[in-house]
Amino acid sequence: DAGVIQSPRHEVTEMGQEVTLRCKPISGHNSLFWYRQTMMRGLELLIYFNNNVPIDDSGMPEDRFSAKMPNASFSTLKIQPSEPRDSAVYFCASQLRLADPYQETQYFGPGTRLLVL
Amino acid sequence: GQNIDQPTEMTATEGAIVQINCTYQTSGFNGLFWYQQHAGEAPTFLSYNVLDGLEEKGRFSSFLSRSKGYSYLLLKELQMKDSASYLCAYTSGTYKYIFGTGTRLKVLA
Repeated sequence: DAGVIQSPRHEVTEMGQEVTLRCKPISGHNSLFWYRQTMMRGLELLIYFNNNVPIDDSGMPEDRFSAKMPNASFSTLKIQPSEPRDSAVYFCASQLRLADPYQETQYFGPGTRLLVL
Repeated sequence: GQNIDQPTEMTATEGAIVQINCTYQTSGFNGLFWYQQHAGEAPTFLSYNVLDGLEEKGRFSSFLSRSKGYSYLLLKELQMKDSASYLCAYTSGTYKYIFGTGTRLKVLA
């Protein structure tokens, strides 16, 4: 298995530009998570999808952030317009969520390093 | 904050044993995860505790005390490649992982 795939791996953009991050979860997994990681705040959950449906987007910082999951094998996180404070590493993680709540390891992608100038 | 706490940094010597502590406060609790994250890389799963006690996996062991809201990760026979950040996270009856900010471990020769 290729694991979780994210693109791009690095993104440098100017303030005000639109940024789109992409994620392909592990095949067969039914849950997908977008996280943001910074030195100050650590890993923060932005949004969670289950069976392609957004379940919890309470971590999305503001209206500039949006996420979609049009099918089981693809998700996007979009920032429009981007700001310097959005600079961080954005991770996508996938999980096979079973009825048993005790088997819920999340598998992380390699991340996208975003720098907004 | 997220009511989960771990030391920011630790330093240990190659071949030694190091214990990384994690404390948490939550009204509901399912389990406690430990992840390893090398610089510039993704977090990778190390261990999962749902019941009290010690889980051993080779050089790594993880302990949980649910009544005390306390866990630790024990690394034995430290190697240089163990230099990384170690993240603890709990789940509390939902899909959410609540992560600590991580402990950066430096292993010195």
